[in-house]
Amino acid sequence: DIVMTQGVLPNPVPSGESASITCRSSKSLVYKDGKTYLNWFLQRPGQSPQLLTYWMSTRASGVSDRFSGSGSGTYFTLKISRVRAEDAGVYYCQQVREYPNTFGAGTKLELK
Amino acid sequence: EVQLVESGGGLVQPGRSLKLSCAASGFTFSNYDMAWVRQAPTKGLEWVASISTGGGNTYYRDSVKGRFTISRDNAKSTLYLQMDSLRSEDTATYYCASRFAYWGQGTLVTVSS
Repeated sequence: DIVMTQGVLPNPVPSGESASITCRSSKSLVYKDGKTYLNWFLQRPGQSPQLLTYWMSTRASGVSDRFSGSGSGTYFTLKISRVRAEDAGVYYCQQVREYPNTFGAGTKLELK
Repeated sequence: EVQLVESGGGLVQPGRSLKLSCAASGFTFSNYDMAWVRQAPTKGLEWVASISTGGGNTYYRDSVKGRFTISRDNAKSTLYLQMDSLRSEDTATYYCASRFAYWGQGTLVTVSS
C-alpha cells in the first residue's frame, strides 16, 4: 500500500500569514496519463471533509485561490495564503493513484 | 444542489450485520464513481471501499474484504454498504463520497456489546 506521510505545522499560525502543509508518498503518484493523483481536503471541526484540490494542483469548484497545491511525484505542498479563521481544521492528503486509496494522518491548523 | 444523505447507522453487537445507505440527488449519480470513507472517534480518515459507475468494479481495504460489500442502485440513485461480521474496530462515522468531491454528513456505527 502507498503510505502517505504528512508534516506538522508550527501552530498557532497568525491570521494573515501563510502556511504550508507537506505530504510525502512512498511511491510516485504520477499515472501514465501524466496526471498526479493527489487530493487535499480540509475537515473543519464537526464537519465532513471538503475537497480543496485534485490532480495535485487543480482547485475544486468554489475553493478560494488562497489555496494552492504543488509538488513532484512523491512530495507535495498545500500552501494557504493570508490565513483566515475559517481555514482552521485538519488537512488531509490522499492518494488516488491506486487502490487501496490512502490518506495521510492529517495536519492540524490552528490560528492565533 | 448536490446532496448525499447517509442512513442506517446505529449500535450493533460484535458479529452482527448492518446495511448503510446513501441517497444521492442534485447530480447524475450513474456517471460517478462512489466511495465509503470512515473516521473512528478522534481519528483520521480511512478509505473503506469504492465502486465504479456501473457497479462492475469494486475495491476494498484489506481489513473489510470478505465482510463488507459495496453496491449501488443507479435507478434509485443510492449507494449501499453491507457490513457483516462487525468488529469493535469498525466503530466509526461512515461517509459516502462522490469522486471525493461531494460528501455526506456521515452516519455513526458503533459496534459494542
